[in-house]
Amino acid sequence: GESVGLHLPTLSVQEGDNSIINCAYSNSASDYFIWYKQESGKGPQFIIDIRSNMDKRQGQRVTVLLNKTVKHLSLQIAATQPGDSAVYFCAENNGDYKLSFGAGTTVTVRA
Amino acid sequence: DVKVTQSSRYLVKRTGEKVFLECVQDMDHENMFWYRQDPGLGLRLIYFSYDVKMKEKGDIPEGYSVSREKKERFSLILESASTNQTSMYLCASSSAEGAYEQYFGPGTRLTVT
Repeated sequence: GESVGLHLPTLSVQEGDNSIINCAYSNSASDYFIWYKQESGKGPQFIIDIRSNMDKRQGQRVTVLLNKTVKHLSLQIAATQPGDSAVYFCAENNGDYKLSFGAGTTVTVRA
Repeated sequence: DVKVTQSSRYLVKRTGEKVFLECVQDMDHENMFWYRQDPGLGLRLIYFSYDVKMKEKGDIPEGYSVSREKKERFSLILESASTNQTSMYLCASSSAEGAYEQYFGPGTRLTVT
């Protein structure tokens, strides 16, 4: 069944502010997590990943935090821009090759 | 850049029709996937394939079948379309080495009337 979920389905953020998108997972055996971004009319696009032996990983303007104790994953976007408006999905590995996706959070950036 | 293409962006079919959704990737990836995406449910895996002529059921395979005759092409078949199969269908691929990093096509919006 569904094991990955996001706390909030929508998030509105002021341009220039930082965004935090949260995700809870229930499978303690998962050891790999990914964040995807899906813009309107497009397929999901890889943003950043993290393995369970890490608790933080940084990319360009994005940071993923993993708290295995409470099975929580978050994506932080610094200085949010209009181009960051999209649906964001977290996903965890689920057996060989497969991923389980959360329901998604829609981020809207206000000018 | 990896490119995953899907044969149609929008498709309208009638109940009971046989529907073919085609997906092609150009990166010689071993793994290919079909998902459906519905509001509030995220992406749900229908079928996947890790090699030519190999297929595995995902979480919601009922009402669907797949075909992978060539490495670059993975087809999703709705044997007899029903209105509850109205959805966005997404194809993805990944390499054997980076198996969890999946690359997605733009999606096919299927409406069954």
